[in-house]
Amino acid sequence: KQEVTQIPAALSVPEGENLVLNCSFTDSAIYNLQWFRQDPGKGLTSLLLIQSSQREQTSGRLNASLDKSSGRSTLYIAASQPGDSATYLCAANAGGTSYGKLTFGQGTILTVHP
Amino acid sequence: ETGVTQSPTHLIKTRGQQVTLRCSSQSGHNTVSWYQQALGQGPQFIFQYYREEENGRGNFPPRFSGLQFPNYSSELNVNALELDDSALYLCASSTGIGTEAFFGQGTRLTVV
Repeated sequence: KQEVTQIPAALSVPEGENLVLNCSFTDSAIYNLQWFRQDPGKGLTSLLLIQSSQREQTSGRLNASLDKSSGRSTLYIAASQPGDSATYLCAANAGGTSYGKLTFGQGTILTVHP
Repeated sequence: ETGVTQSPTHLIKTRGQQVTLRCSSQSGHNTVSWYQQALGQGPQFIFQYYREEENGRGNFPPRFSGLQFPNYSSELNVNALELDDSALYLCASSTGIGTEAFFGQGTRLTVV
């Protein structure tokens, strides 16, 4: 059974800092991994998807890496802004009989203060 | 191109009642998944539909049921509501099984 853990649970940083959010998963046989952002009481916004064959993906100030062998992914946010404040969730898409099912971590609550 | 839309946005029901939540998938998407998110938790997979057929189910009782229509929109039905069913219900659509998932804004269900 796939389990996903995110560390830290919460993070508070001053504006302008570069930061790293961590995601670990127990079953390395994933098909892909997706990072999402969630604002309070809202749905999920897809940030980046990394296929199992990829090592990293970049979108603007965001960079996500994937190391299947160690069961880890990181989301790097450069030059953080107050508008980045949200909960960040990672989700592993396992293969095999669970193909298509996303298993989520509990999220990292990020606060960027001016 | 419209994204994934869910209705209603908020709902209050009494324990024991039944509820139907609706989801319109993004244009060109044939796969819809439903998730339940309790407060402070990550979303939990309920089930997935691909071209009107159920393709996988999470650890939810049979009183959670679903349907996907020929236009790939979907419904989530919950019978005999319990207090613990209070949560944010999220619908996601994608172009196929295992491809990038795009979520709607969710339906906040409160059971009293």
